[in-house]
Amino acid sequence: DTGVSQDPRHKITKRGQNVTFRCDPISEHNRLYWYRQTLGQGPEFLTYFQNEAQLEKSRLLSDRFSAERPKGSFSTLEIQRTEQGDSAMYLCASSFVAGGPDEQFFGPGTRLTVL
Amino acid sequence: EDKVVQSPLSLVVHEGDTVTLNCSYEVTNFRSLLWYKQEKKAPTFLFMLTSSGIEKKSGRLSSILDKKELFSILNITATQTGDSAIYLCAVDRNTGTASKLTFGTGTRLQVTL
Repeated sequence: DTGVSQDPRHKITKRGQNVTFRCDPISEHNRLYWYRQTLGQGPEFLTYFQNEAQLEKSRLLSDRFSAERPKGSFSTLEIQRTEQGDSAMYLCASSFVAGGPDEQFFGPGTRLTVL
Repeated sequence: EDKVVQSPLSLVVHEGDTVTLNCSYEVTNFRSLLWYKQEKKAPTFLFMLTSSGIEKKSGRLSSILDKKELFSILNITATQTGDSAIYLCAVDRNTGTASKLTFGTGTRLQVTL
């Protein structure tokens, strides 16, 4: 499968614990995006990377959230001291752009449940 | 702030019916509008629209954009039960950097036998 992959697909954790999610984009894609989707809502932008550089972060991304893309390939999203309000589907998307509009391909998501 | 409103929020139709889903938007420096289909997993890409009045078509699905009136429609003809999903509309603004999609809440379509 050459699509975007995410791991784990499901994560249940207790409030206050730290969690880390991984995203592997499509191999030739230079851009990687993280979104969060709660029930009944569309995905909300969190952050994106152009190669290894994190170029934009949403106001939604509090200081408990950190994302990295160390070698410009896979990315990790860590949430520290999880809260029940963090429960959501975390979606990763990637694209290849050389200017102009781009088509983002989404991964299957990691569903986080914070108890 | 960018805004995307989809209607209806949900829709139940019989197999074979034709449906029209609506998406209106407000965005600064519009670049494109995208439609995605989401079943019990990640959104899958359907269409990207950048120019007014040019219909994009893929099988029984088609979509068109009106940049003057700031809306788009997604049509599905001869619906099938496999079309049951949430249909998401998103707009992309031209920031000079990457695409930062703003999504609507989606239209939940259920196609019954």
